[in-house]
Amino acid sequence: QKEVEQNSGPLSVPEGAIASLNCTYSDRGSQSFFWYRQYSGKSPELIMFIYSNGDKEDGRFTAQLNKASQYVSLLIRDSQPSDSATYLCAALLGSEKLVFGKGTKLTVNP
Amino acid sequence: GAGVSQSPRYKVTKRGQDVALRCDPISGHVSLYWYRQALGQGPEFLTYFNYEAQQDKSGLPNDRFSAERPEGSISTLTIQRTEQRDSAMYRCASSLGGTSKLSETQYFGPGTRLLVL
Repeated sequence: QKEVEQNSGPLSVPEGAIASLNCTYSDRGSQSFFWYRQYSGKSPELIMFIYSNGDKEDGRFTAQLNKASQYVSLLIRDSQPSDSATYLCAALLGSEKLVFGKGTKLTVNP
Repeated sequence: GAGVSQSPRYKVTKRGQDVALRCDPISGHVSLYWYRQALGQGPEFLTYFNYEAQQDKSGLPNDRFSAERPEGSISTLTIQRTEQRDSAMYRCASSLGGTSKLSETQYFGPGTRLLVL
């Protein structure tokens, strides 16, 4: 079974703090990884993707990938209440199929 | 349209009935995906099209589920002889369908909430 594992949380951080979201995957053939944000009752929307080892930064968001450890993370700096949502990690299997984790629910407290 | 649209948004049906769920992708998007999302879970892959060709249907749970995209645009997911366990949110996504999927964004529709009584 090709799986993507996430801590379901909930993760609670104060406003302005760094939120750290983690994800592990089982299939070493996974080539690319995506972080989606899903607000309650809404559809998922892409935040970032990463396919090279190391860090990738986009504004307040930093994705980190360690293929040797099969580990992906998303850091959110200066967390805002509007960042409160469920964050879904997904791995690209083969060339086409996304496998999603269960998601981590993040709450940013004002 | 501006985004992926799905219809109906809500569907209540009785066990044993057939249902058809429709997805209209973003104009010009070659790739179309169907997912099922249970409450508190991430989307679960069902099937995928490039143009009108169904490339992967490995996620379809059983032969009661089928999908088509006859003209390479609108797609229909059909569930025959529905069962209570089919109740879920069914989401469609589309993407440009470029040569590399490593960085390709899938845009999700609002979903169809199916309830089988």
